[in-house]
Amino acid sequence: DQQVKQNSPSLSVQEGRISILNCDYTNSMFDYFLWYKKYPAEGPTFLISISSIKDKNEDGRFTVFLNKSAKHLSLHIVPSQPGDSAVYFCAARSQGGSEKLVFGKGTKLTVNP
Amino acid sequence: GAGVSQSPSNKVTEKGKDVELRCDPISGHTALYWYRQSLGQGLEFLIYFQGNSAPDKSGLPSDRFSAERTGGSVSTLTIQRTQQEDSAVYLCASRSGTDGLTQYFGPGTRLTVL
Repeated sequence: DQQVKQNSPSLSVQEGRISILNCDYTNSMFDYFLWYKKYPAEGPTFLISISSIKDKNEDGRFTVFLNKSAKHLSLHIVPSQPGDSAVYFCAARSQGGSEKLVFGKGTKLTVNP
Repeated sequence: GAGVSQSPSNKVTEKGKDVELRCDPISGHTALYWYRQSLGQGLEFLIYFQGNSAPDKSGLPSDRFSAERTGGSVSTLTIQRTQQEDSAVYLCASRSGTDGLTQYFGPGTRLTVL
């Protein structure tokens, strides 16, 4: 069973517009959520995170929103730039123990000039 | 400030052979993780180290997979008698054990089993 779902495999937006990437999860024990960006042939790069006690975290052009009741989070990129084109992974941390991350399958974002 | 490094970057092997993948975590990071990403899939947890101990091995897919960590630093993931389904990108991540919540990833090793 997939505990973290990214239902859109791909997203295409125009440069300068907003990109919204979505993620749903099923495990209410997740307490920390992260977004990673991945370019081809590279490892995932940490982008932004949010604790389950918050509903919003902002870092420059990137904002993550968390709706705990809906078990939904989203990443907003404003304004989108061609260099943002990459695969974006949503990840959730399970409490206690190893604190391993559970990942979605990723959304490939293409920002067109 | 070096990040997580992994070697080799690419490995092609024949079915049935053993392979070793190496990870050098960020200096001072006590927590180390191995994940793998198969084609079109998300990252799948394999094993977690805290220091030299592996309290969570729940993600290892079979007893052909093993890993060790020495000196609280370098880790080696070994796959014995490789199968074609083992083909994937193997990623290592490390995290500060004190107050770190974020895992930082290496570039990965792309393993191809022919």
